Amino acid sequence: SYDLNQPPSVSVSPGQAAIITCPAETSEHKSVSWYQQKPGRSPLLVIYQDNQRPSGIPERFSGSNSGGTATLTISGTQPMDEADYFCQACDGATAVFGGGTRLTVL
Amino acid sequence: QEQLVESGGGLVEPGGSLRLSCDASGVIFSDDYMAWIRQAPGKGLEWISYISNSGTTIYYADSVKGRFTISRDNPRTSLYLQMNNLRPEDTAVYFCARDGDYGDYWYFDLWGRGTLVTVS
Repeated sequence: SYDLNQPPSVSVSPGQAAIITCPAETSEHKSVSWYQQKPGRSPLLVIYQDNQRPSGIPERFSGSNSGGTATLTISGTQPMDEADYFCQACDGATAVFGGGTRLTVL
Repeated sequence: QEQLVESGGGLVEPGGSLRLSCDASGVIFSDDYMAWIRQAPGKGLEWISYISNSGTTIYYADSVKGRFTISRDNPRTSLYLQMNNLRPEDTAVYFCARDGDYGDYWYFDLWGRGTLVTVS
C-alpha cells in the first residue's frame, strides 16, 4: 500500500492557474484520477488515467503524471471551481484516495 | 439518464448491523464494476469495497474486511453492502460508484448522492 499526499489547501486568484499536486510514495507509476467535490455534493470525476477529461468537463481542467507526482491544473480558475479536490489511484486490489485539497478562489 | 440511488442508512448502536442498497438506472448494470466509498463527516474519501460485474471478484479495504460484505443482483440492477459489527468509526456518508474502466484502472465516473450511517 502507499499514500497520496495532497497539500491541504491551495489558494488562487480568479483567472490564474491553480496547481494541485499528488505525490505518490511509490516508485511504480500509478494512473491517477481526480475528483471535484463541492459542499453537500457527491464527488465528480474531472480527470482520469492521468490526463483524460470526461465528457462535459471544461477544457481548463488538465492533468499530468510524471516522476511519481500527479498534478491537476485548472487554467483560468473561476469562482465556481472552489471545491475540494481528491486524487485517486488503484493499487491492484485496492483504491487509494489522497487526503484532499481545498481550493479557495480569492 | 444514468443514476445511482443509495438507501438503507440510519442510526445504529455499536455492534449492530445495517444493509445498504444502491439502485442503478439508465445503465447496463450487468456490465458495470461497482464500488462502495465512504466519507466520514468533514473528512476525505475512503474506498471500502469493490465488485466485478459478475460478482465473482470482490475486494475489501482492511478497515472493513471480515465485517462488511458486498454483493449485487444484476436482474434487479442493485448493489448491496451488508455491514455487521459496526463501530463508531464507521460513521460516514456511504456512496456507491461505478468504475468507468471495467476493472483495469478503477476510476469512478458515476456516483450516487450517498446515504448517512451513524454509529452511536
